This record gives sequence, C-alpha cells and structure tokens, in this order.
Amino acid sequence: DAGITQSPRHKVTETGTPVTLRCHQTENHRYMYWYRQDPGHGLRLIHYSYGVKDTDKGEVSDGYSVSRSKTEDFLLTLESATSSQTSVYFCATRGTGEGKLFFGSGTQLSVL
Amino acid sequence: GIQVEQSPPDLILQEGANSTLRCNFSDSVNNLQWFHQNPWGQLINLFYIPSGTKQNGRLSATTVATERYSLLYISSSQTTDSGVYFCAVPRKYSGAGSYQLTFGKGTKLSVIP
Repeated sequence: DAGITQSPRHKVTETGTPVTLRCHQTENHRYMYWYRQDPGHGLRLIHYSYGVKDTDKGEVSDGYSVSRSKTEDFLLTLESATSSQTSVYFCATRGTGEGKLFFGSGTQLSVL
Repeated sequence: GIQVEQSPPDLILQEGANSTLRCNFSDSVNNLQWFHQNPWGQLINLFYIPSGTKQNGRLSATTVATERYSLLYISSSQTTDSGVYFCAVPRKYSGAGSYQLTFGKGTKLSVIP
C-alpha cells in the first residue's frame, strides 16, 4: 500500500481551539482526501485535493479548511473545534491512472 | 448525489463458512472499490474493479455495472476476516468533482472460531 502517514495519531483538545491534522504521502499521488468516520454515518468526505493548491469541498466541509502547498502534504484545519467534530479522521490518496484509493492509519480526535 | 447501500448490515459466520456481501448503487459508475476495516481501524483496499470479476486468494468481487450492484465473496472464512467491509463508487459528474468517492455504510462481519 501507499506510504501515507497521518499525524498526530491521537489528539485531545478543548472546544474553541484550532487544530491541524497532517497527512504526508510518499507515492506522488495526485489526489488526496480527508474523510471522517462516525458510528452510523460511515465514511464521509470533508475536503479533497486534485493537485497542488487545488482543493474542493466534500459533503461535510462546514467548520473545516484544507491546504495543499506540496504534492506530498495535505493539511486539515479545524479553525475552532467543536464537540461535534470528535471523530476519527482518515486521509486517503489516489493515483491518476489506476484510481485505487489508499488510506492512512487515521487520527482519533476528541474535542472536550 | 449517488446513493450506495450495502447489505446485510451485520453478518455472523462460523469459521470456514462462505459469505456474500452486496453493494447497490443508484447511478451508473465506471469503477467500484471494496475495502476492509480491521478491528484495529485500518482500512485496506481489497479490490478496484472497473468491471467484471477479480480474485485475490479466498476473496473475489464481481461488479455488474448495468444492474448497478457489486458482490464480494468470502470463502472459507477465517477470524482474521472479521471487521467492516465498505464499497465505494465515484461521483458521476465530470471534471474534478468526479474524483469524489461515496462510501456505503458497510457490512460488519464477525467470524467466530
């Protein structure tokens, strides 16, 4: 599988604080995605990127922003964390040709 | 957007049994992917299927795009097969939006020794 590293793996934060999650990939994949996973909702797309500086919203983008300044890095920022953003966050990447999606190990975020 | 439904939502098997998981989707697609999330939370890509059938050991998957469904077969199940199985399809729209993937809610499989 693709080399995808998410950091941090676990984070506990307080309501109202900013939080940034990082996704780093070593496969030179064009497409990168941020998903959140919650019981009863499955995996939902937050934001995705189709190239450096090219990003777009997914289905649950409110309260989140992203940036991609380099091919290998995709950052997810919660500007002011809320308890409803407590979740497991997954980064994923996809190459241009085959289209197969690969996931990182996830970040468990708790907002108290 | 496209709707993806998986069935059954839960499945309990005795070790050694076979199973079939189903994924229905509401619109035409040109590929579909199956994933396994193990009990530790890792998501592993099992299959990427533009069409037809693919096999990998005890697992195989078939997509019938014209009838808008895909099946994942697990033969001679093992306890390590436990976890949640997801299917995912791309949005239909052209351009950058077509690279969004929509996931079903998964089938939770428990294989008992």
